[in-house]
Amino acid sequence: GNSVTQMEGPVTLSEEAFLTINCTYTATGYPSLFWYVQYPGEGLQLLLKATKADDKGSNKGFEATYRKETTSFHLEKGSVQVSDSAVYFCALTAPPSGGSYIPTFGRGTSLIVHP
Amino acid sequence: SAVISQKPSRDICQRGTSLTIQCQVDSQVTMMFWYRQQPGQSLTLIATANQGSEATYESGFVIDKFPISRPNLTFSTLTVSNMSPEDSSIYLCSVQQGGTVTIYEQYFGPGTRLTVT
Repeated sequence: GNSVTQMEGPVTLSEEAFLTINCTYTATGYPSLFWYVQYPGEGLQLLLKATKADDKGSNKGFEATYRKETTSFHLEKGSVQVSDSAVYFCALTAPPSGGSYIPTFGRGTSLIVHP
Repeated sequence: SAVISQKPSRDICQRGTSLTIQCQVDSQVTMMFWYRQQPGQSLTLIATANQGSEATYESGFVIDKFPISRPNLTFSTLTVSNMSPEDSSIYLCSVQQGGTVTIYEQYFGPGTRLTVT
């Protein structure tokens, strides 16, 4: 079956530091890949996505590149801010087994940014 | 993108009681999803609700414990029945939208924070 593995958190950084959150996946067929962010007390929001190999998704200074050869979709940001403190979820949707594109989520990685 | 609201936003309930959570979407959607997120954990899919048919439950979740209604294309309810402290979680409503096959983005409500005492 499909699976998503994320690095364990929390990741603790100082403001303006470089961020990488690793994500690798296992999927049948050719999945679409997503990063979602959950700010404290809120639901999840789509941060960025990529739908085919070598695509780069980007939003709000975050980037992730769909690497089919390494089955990875690592999230990066060059300079984090305190406001980036949140939980980040890697996810995929893959061609349906059983008829629906129900997404598979990773366990989430908590990011804490200190001033 | 879809805008989703949930009611209540939080509640504290006594064990043995039931709570119904409402989910309202600002556009018509075919599939609605209910997730549970326990503290510090990832999302666990409870069930998928399609309008006009019975909800499809994931392994470990049953209709008697989590009955779901889906009366139209913009609304759904999830009831947590006969609650115990283990049901304390965030319950999230979600819908799926996408312009092309395989590019299905999930949109989430703000969640209902349930504490069972």
